[in-house]
Amino acid sequence: AIRITQSPSSLSASTGDRVTITCRASQGISSYLAWYQQKPGKAPKLLIYAASTLQSGVPSRFSGSGSGTDFTLTISCLQSEDFATYYCQQYYSYPGFGPGTKVDIK
Amino acid sequence: EVQLVESGGGLVKPGGSLRLSCAASGFTFSSYSMNWVRQAPGKGLEWVSSISSSSSYIYYADSVKGRFTISRDNAKNSLYLQMNSLRAEDTAVYYCARDHLNDYWGQGTLVTVSS
Repeated sequence: AIRITQSPSSLSASTGDRVTITCRASQGISSYLAWYQQKPGKAPKLLIYAASTLQSGVPSRFSGSGSGTDFTLTISCLQSEDFATYYCQQYYSYPGFGPGTKVDIK
Repeated sequence: EVQLVESGGGLVKPGGSLRLSCAASGFTFSSYSMNWVRQAPGKGLEWVSSISSSSSYIYYADSVKGRFTISRDNAKNSLYLQMNSLRAEDTAVYYCARDHLNDYWGQGTLVTVSS
């Protein structure tokens, strides 16, 4: 099974900051990676798929990059509504999620 | 508008069974694969099972293989998860989600396995 790790597990940031979250797969997954945002008590929301394609309706301050085993999610200018937990997920084989990165207010 | 609405969760004793349903609307259900994803209290997301649009392909996580059965009824725009031999570690919010990209999710239904 493909293992997915994320770093950091949590981070504190301020509105306006640039935030980067890293996702690593235990083997190459090409660009079969998605990013989700989840707020407390809510279902996850798809942000990015195919490693770098922005889902319709998602603000352009979100971007994704990477291929193979190393991927990043970047929020260019953090807004108050972006404080949440972020998960990456590979869909190269049986789906697997990373453990999540909680972004909270500094 | 795409809508996914789960139902069927509740409190069940270890070893018991439960059947979850997911009612879909706002899209051509029969054209999409569907998934169940769960989240234990305070924990991360865990993929549970997937089914192709015509039910030809079905996949399960090792943690539920042999105990859970995914199915769908395209005429009723509905997805199901039959859960047998439930364990305490199956306690979670269960979400249905559309497509291999999980581009739409339901609100979730809570399953609690406890004596």
